[in-house]
Amino acid sequence: LAKTTQPISMDSYEGQEVNITCSHNNIATNDYITWYQQFPSQGPRFIIQGYKTKVTNEVASLFIPADRKSSTLSLPRVSLSDTAVYYCLVGDRNYGGSQGNLIFGKGTKLSVKP
Amino acid sequence: KAGVTQTPRYLIKTRGQQVTLSCSPISGHRSVSWYQQTPGQGLQFLFEYFSETQRNKGNFPGRFSGRQFSNSRSEMNVSTLELGDSALYLCASSSTRYGYTFGSGTRLTVV
Repeated sequence: LAKTTQPISMDSYEGQEVNITCSHNNIATNDYITWYQQFPSQGPRFIIQGYKTKVTNEVASLFIPADRKSSTLSLPRVSLSDTAVYYCLVGDRNYGGSQGNLIFGKGTKLSVKP
Repeated sequence: KAGVTQTPRYLIKTRGQQVTLSCSPISGHRSVSWYQQTPGQGLQFLFEYFSETQRNKGNFPGRFSGRQFSNSRSEMNVSTLELGDSALYLCASSSTRYGYTFGSGTRLTVV
């Protein structure tokens, strides 16, 4: 699975848009990009997944350039409750039928201040 | 729909003892995987079970083992506990639409 690089930490204020960029230079043709959110003492929670261009759901947007060597998670108008660690993963789409092995990096610790 | 349930939530054990953790996946999910999370090493993959068979294994010593039952419920066992085994142990089952769904974990403290 491709290795990812993210900033260790980011600070923001309530109401701002937050963009977290992840580098994955050796992403494979079949790899998808998935982001998870984790609060202390809880398991990671799926946020969004994409393959190319832009994906948007009720929580976030994911921007993927044409070369797919990076991706940006965008959180609109963050609140205090968005304070968490965000992980970027690349690998098989793996929706239950194939090998299950998520490789987590260190993640980005987002701190939202009032 | 019930989520992934892990029991117990907290556990304190003494060095040298063994421990068994339990995970009940989302109904209908056949894949269950286990992860260890520590402040120093982050989230690390332990093993994955699919239809009662271990399909993938991470780089952990043989003291860490697991199994899956016919109803997809899974257990992991750690024998001869060491202080370094203190961690949050997370179980995840796979979703056909939303990737992995994690439980809240079992916090194991070895003293």
